[in-house]
This record gives sequence, C-alpha cells and structure tokens, in this order.
Amino acid sequence: DQQVKQNSPSLSVQEGRISILNCDYTNSMFDYFLWYKKYPAEGPTFLISISSIKDKNEDGRFTVFLNKSAKHLSLHIVPSQPGDSAVYFCAASGRSTNAGKSTFGDGTTLTVKP
Amino acid sequence: DVKVTQSSRYLVKRTGEKVFLECVQDMDHENMFWYRQDPGLGLRLIYFSYDVKMKEKGDIPEGYSVSREKKERFSLILESASTNQTSMYLCASSILAGDTDTQYFGPGTRLTVL
Repeated sequence: DQQVKQNSPSLSVQEGRISILNCDYTNSMFDYFLWYKKYPAEGPTFLISISSIKDKNEDGRFTVFLNKSAKHLSLHIVPSQPGDSAVYFCAASGRSTNAGKSTFGDGTTLTVKP
Repeated sequence: DVKVTQSSRYLVKRTGEKVFLECVQDMDHENMFWYRQDPGLGLRLIYFSYDVKMKEKGDIPEGYSVSREKKERFSLILESASTNQTSMYLCASSILAGDTDTQYFGPGTRLTVL
C-alpha cells in the first residue's frame, strides 16, 4: 500500500517554461508535505514544504499547491532552468502521530532542456 | 549548516560479509534515519531512531540492524550481505517535533554486494 505516489517517473520541459510535478497521497493523517531535490551521487536536499493548514506556499521560482480534498499536491517551477534537472521526491508526514518520520514517493526525474 | 556525513561513498563487499555503514550528524538532532534508494522504488525507510539506544523498524528492516550509542552517530549493519542489498544507502537526521519535519541527508553510500 503506497501512501505517497508520484505517477510520472519522468518529465521533460524546455528551459524557461513551467515544470509541474504532481504527487498524490492516501493517508488522511498526513498534515505536512515536503519536496526534496536530488542530484546524481548526492543526497536529497530540502526544497520547499507546506502545512495542511495552507493551500499554497511560494519560495522564489518554486511554488507548492495543496488540494486536501483531492489529496493532491503539486510543485511548480517557473521559469525552469537546466540546473533544475534532478530527481524530485514528494514526502508526507503526520506530525500529530509520528513526528519526524516521512513517507516518500518514488520520485520524478525532471529534465530541463536548454 | 547541518552536516550529515557517511563513512564511505562507495563500498564493494562479498556475499556473506558483515557490513557496517556509519553516519554522523553535527547538529544535535534527535532523529536519525537509514533509507535505501533503488530505481523506480524511491526512498524506502529501513530503520530510524529518535534517541540514543532507541530504534524503530521502518518499512524494510529485514536483513538489517542498527546501532545508536551516541546521539550524533547512527550505524546500519548488514549482518550477512546479500546481492539484493546492492543499493544506494542514505542517512538522514532531523529535529524531533520541530517546526518542520525537514530531513537533512548525507551524500549516500553506493554499496555493491558481489
């Protein structure tokens, strides 16, 4: 039973355009969501997060949207740059039940073409 | 800045060997985690620890054990390495019940079991 799903294994976009990465979850107890970025041969690094009390969080070129009723979140990157090419992991945690432990999706490999 | 270090970047072992993977963090974090990353399977939690000498099984603990004798150090042990344990192993740490559940990852250890 996979509680966090990223249904697109890969995404390719042109430099300067918008990248949209999607994530779905099934556990209603999740109340905090994070996106991590991973380059080859490096560990994942935190990118942006959102609490379930919000529906949008923005940080520079990165915006995360949360739709609780649909149990869906998305990461928008505008404009996309070649340096954004990486694997993006969506993660979810239930802070009221299991503080600190996150469940990760399988990842989406983003390729931004110059 | 948080720093999480792992003892080896690359490791080659033979089937049946006992393998130790070491992880050290320098930010006094309570939580520490061990994951493995395999293509198409994302990050799967092996074990985690929220305090010295405390450990909890993750999603795939079989074939692994852990040790946390000091707060800053979390070791993953493969008692008898097998070829299906060939993988990228990632260590992470986080604050217990902080404002966020952000995890800080080490660079990873690429383990090959022959």
